[in-house]
Amino acid sequence: QQQVKQSPQSLIVQKGGISIINCAYENTAFDYFPWYQQFPGKGPALLIAIRPDVSEKKEGRFTISFNKSAKQFSLHIMDSQPGDSATYFCAARRSNTGKLIFGQGTTLQVKP
Amino acid sequence: KAGVTQTPRYLIKTRGQQVTLSCSPISGHRSVSWYQQTPGQGLQFLFEYFSETQRNKGNFPGRFSGRQFSNSRSEMNVSTLELGDSALYLCASSIPGSDTQYFGPGTRLTVL
Repeated sequence: QQQVKQSPQSLIVQKGGISIINCAYENTAFDYFPWYQQFPGKGPALLIAIRPDVSEKKEGRFTISFNKSAKQFSLHIMDSQPGDSATYFCAARRSNTGKLIFGQGTTLQVKP
Repeated sequence: KAGVTQTPRYLIKTRGQQVTLSCSPISGHRSVSWYQQTPGQGLQFLFEYFSETQRNKGNFPGRFSGRQFSNSRSEMNVSTLELGDSALYLCASSIPGSDTQYFGPGTRLTVL
């Protein structure tokens, strides 16, 4: 019940295309769902986050879609750029804790 | 504002030794969480500290311990090192009541 399952493991997209990464969870006590971006040699950096009372959140080229009934959420990167090439992690957190449960990560490569 | 700092950045130890890693949170952040990142297991929660008290603990053996000081700086200690402890150890800080966790660059521990 503590797992967050992320897919795909790796993704190759052409410049200008849309990158889509999916995550699924089981624990309905989760109330916060962030996406982190990590470049080699760096710590994860928060990209965008959503709470379950919202079905979609958009920040620039990044959009989270959230389906509470299906217990799934996804990250969409519009107009993908080579600079977006990184590893992306979804995560979930139970209320009133600082414990993030991470997905296994998706390595995104955007080809010029 | 300076980000989360972790020292040392790289560490090489041999089996059986112990190690102490340090984390200085962003100024004003009083909550500190630690994570272990490995290629096989991904990002796994170790523990969370707030006001010098451990609030949450992950599923790691007792060889892994931590503490937080009155200035919110935190240390984690791993005793009797095993080869499998080789990992990137990440520290994240946050403001109480805020969802966002800010990660440091990590300490790369190699156990030989």
